[in-house]
Amino acid sequence: AQSVTQLGSHVSVSEGALVLLRCNYSSSVPPYLFWYVQYPNQGLQLLLKYTSAATLVKGINGFEAEFKKSETSFHLTKPSAHMSDAAEYFCAVSDTGNQFYFGTGTSLTVIP
Amino acid sequence: DTGVSQDPRHKITKRGQNVTFRCDPISEHNRLYWYRQTLGQGPEFLTYFQNEAQLEKSRLLSDRFSAERPKGSFSTLEIQRTEQGDSAMYLCASSYRQGLSYEQYFGPGTRLTVT
Repeated sequence: AQSVTQLGSHVSVSEGALVLLRCNYSSSVPPYLFWYVQYPNQGLQLLLKYTSAATLVKGINGFEAEFKKSETSFHLTKPSAHMSDAAEYFCAVSDTGNQFYFGTGTSLTVIP
Repeated sequence: DTGVSQDPRHKITKRGQNVTFRCDPISEHNRLYWYRQTLGQGPEFLTYFQNEAQLEKSRLLSDRFSAERPKGSFSTLEIQRTEQGDSAMYLCASSYRQGLSYEQYFGPGTRLTVT
């Protein structure tokens, strides 16, 4: 069975500070892993994905994530937060690329 | 291409009524997914199509829910005899195989309120 756990339903950072959003996954096979961002009243937008190539994945808007098999983690980071980064972030896992399982999300607040 | 579109964006209905939602995927995408998202939760998989074939359906999906994708283009999701617990955002996503995986593109969603 596959599942995703996102630690911290709410994260607040100051503008310019490091953003770290945590994601741990459970999968019986090497997974595909994804981070999505959702702005209010909008659909989800793909930030980045891991598909068994490089373990450090770079995405859009300066975000990146590192796949750590030993820790079953895929944490999302950004060196310097912008006000425009305030949104809901979802981690997702898929083993076959057919069904996708999402975490409960982390709401990011950026303090000016 | 303008992306995945969904219609309507908002629907208010009375308990017991039937509702139907439409999703138009990105034209070259062969896969189409339906998800349900409630407040404070991530999207929950409902079903997906490859072309016109419905390949998987969540075990959590009630018999009151049915989805179709005639001709492998747009899709409809119908909920019969709606209940208050059906109130949620219904998201559609389409995808195509890119490299080793499928990459999903989401529509803006249809927000259903059952009164």
